[in-house]
Amino acid sequence: ETVMTQSPATLSVSLGERATLSCRASQSVRTNLAWYQQKPGQAPRLVIYGASTRATGIPARFSGSGSGTEFTLTISSLQSDDFAVYYCQQYNNRPPVTFGQGTRLEIK
Amino acid sequence: QVQLVESGGGVVQPGRSLRLSCATSGFTFSRNGMHWVRQAPGKGLEWVAVIGDDGTAEVYADSVKGRFSVSRDNFKNTVYLQMNSLRSEDTAVYFCAREHSHGNWFFDWWGQGTLVTVSS
Repeated sequence: ETVMTQSPATLSVSLGERATLSCRASQSVRTNLAWYQQKPGQAPRLVIYGASTRATGIPARFSGSGSGTEFTLTISSLQSDDFAVYYCQQYNNRPPVTFGQGTRLEIK
Repeated sequence: QVQLVESGGGVVQPGRSLRLSCATSGFTFSRNGMHWVRQAPGKGLEWVAVIGDDGTAEVYADSVKGRFSVSRDNFKNTVYLQMNSLRSEDTAVYFCAREHSHGNWFFDWWGQGTLVTVSS
């Protein structure tokens, strides 16, 4: 099973600043990596797939990068709606698909 | 508009069974694999199972293999999760999720989730 490790566990960033979230895979997942945003009491929402492709309706301030074992989700100019928990998920080495433990993005 | 609506959650005793349903609309159901993902209270996401678009392929997480069974009715646009021999560690919100495209096991639409609590 491919273990996904996200860092940091909690990230405190001010409105309008940039946030950089990291995700590491225990073995290569090529670019088969997705990011999800989850707010309290809600279902996850797809943000990025294929490591760098924004999902439908996702603003351009969200960008993803990386391949192999190291990935980054960057949110430029944070808005209040962006504060949530973000999960990475690999879908290359399956079954099972596996998720990271999440990064909580909070307002500084 | 794509919609997925889960139902069937509740409180159940250890060892008992429960069946979850996920009714869908707004897309051609028979074209997408459907997955179940769960989230224990205050925890992260765990993939549970998938059923292929035509219902002939089922795959399960090791944690539920032999106890859970996934099925679908392509006439009713509904996917099901039969959960037997439930354990306390199965307590979670269960989400159904649509596979983005064939073979790409990431999820572009999710239901709102249904809570299953296994407790005596």
